[in-house]
Amino acid sequence: KNQVEQSPQSLIILEGKNCTLQCNYTVSPFSNLRWYKQDTGRGPVSLTIMTFSENTKSNGRYTATLDADTKQSSLHITASQLSDSASYICVVSAPLRDKVIFGPGTSLSVIP
Amino acid sequence: DVKVTQSSRYLVKRTGEKVFLECVQDMDHENMFWYRQDPGLGLRLIYFSYDVKMKEKGDIPEGYSVSREKKERFSLILESASTNQTSMYLCASSHGRRLEPSEQYFGPGTRLTVT
Repeated sequence: KNQVEQSPQSLIILEGKNCTLQCNYTVSPFSNLRWYKQDTGRGPVSLTIMTFSENTKSNGRYTATLDADTKQSSLHITASQLSDSASYICVVSAPLRDKVIFGPGTSLSVIP
Repeated sequence: DVKVTQSSRYLVKRTGEKVFLECVQDMDHENMFWYRQDPGLGLRLIYFSYDVKMKEKGDIPEGYSVSREKKERFSLILESASTNQTSMYLCASSHGRRLEPSEQYFGPGTRLTVT
């Protein structure tokens, strides 16, 4: 069964610190992997996308990595800000047209 | 910028009522989706549509139906609302007719409470 798991379920960090969120998936075949950020009360917004051949992709203070062999991805947030407080969702796509599997998300709280 | 709007941010309905959730996108996207989001379960696909008047069941279609009479509008219908349908409902749209699954753009969500 195609699955996407994320860890930790929730995380609290101090403002200015770095953190790393994990995503493991069993989706096969694999097309691409996206990380979405979902602010409270809002819909998810895409942060990064990586295809099978990409290892790293950055978007400002967000850096995503992908190891397609071990089926693992991580999202690293550098110098966290209060506005980074949100849920981060890992989404894996299968080649079948727009078939996507969502992870349960990691809830990040950045405190002063 | 892509804009996906949903008719209500918050909705409270009684058990047995018929509920309509409306979604409109302004980017001429072919694909539209309805999800529900519950704590610890992530987003689960209810129905999706690749074209006008076309619909396909997602992972949890029971108790729901949809309508897509116009390309920009996708409606989710709860024929007889039940308390277990209390949830956050998210609509999304994306470009279609591509080889690679494309980015989905989400609306702000409708928090539905069924009492």
